[in-house]
Amino acid sequence: QSVLTQPPSASGTPGQRVTISCSGSSSNIGSNDVYWYQQLPGTAPKLLIYRNHQRPSGVPDRFSGSKSDTSASLAISGLRSEDEADYYCAAWDDSLSAGVFGGGTKLTVL
Amino acid sequence: QVQLQESGPGLVKPSGTLSLTCAVSGDSISSSTWWTWVRQPPGKGLEWIGEINHSESPNYSPSLKSRVTIFVDESKNQFSLKLTSVTAADTAVYYCAGDIDGTFHLDYWGQGALLTVSS
Repeated sequence: QSVLTQPPSASGTPGQRVTISCSGSSSNIGSNDVYWYQQLPGTAPKLLIYRNHQRPSGVPDRFSGSKSDTSASLAISGLRSEDEADYYCAAWDDSLSAGVFGGGTKLTVL
Repeated sequence: QVQLQESGPGLVKPSGTLSLTCAVSGDSISSSTWWTWVRQPPGKGLEWIGEINHSESPNYSPSLKSRVTIFVDESKNQFSLKLTSVTAADTAVYYCAGDIDGTFHLDYWGQGALLTVSS
């Protein structure tokens, strides 16, 4: 049972827009920045979104992040086959004094 | 360009101690980066294990705190993970990573090392 809650799966067709949610609490998302990581099959995770909505250089602007209260979301527009991956939200938890990940969402491009 | 490379035994016996090392290049182990360990059991999600910074006390996952130690070797520009009393549940790919500002901003990742606990 992860501290941050994500849907286990999501799907869309090429060109569509999909959204992945991440629900937490006042001790994590409610008081700290949210980060999103993309893990392509068989590879290490990669930073996708930092500080709730910022994109590292090289990440397409098709990826966007937002945060409101104790929830966050990742949106992917213009879905492409290469977006098929696992996506994880993450945040620091002040009550645990530890980092916490969501359970991950497997995105399938149909 | 910062690069991280994990190394370890690959196989550990139950009740033994798991030891992994992460060699860092392109950044000093004594920088402000928080050096982090994350693991991923086969077919499962990511789990944060802990982190260390050269000037601060380490932080550990509450669920692993009694068994885990993370430490830095400045002479070799590397950091290490030690996990005691391992069981099959500790079988996972272990990643080392670098958090550039201590907020879970994991900008650097190693390729991962599979550790199997088995007799």
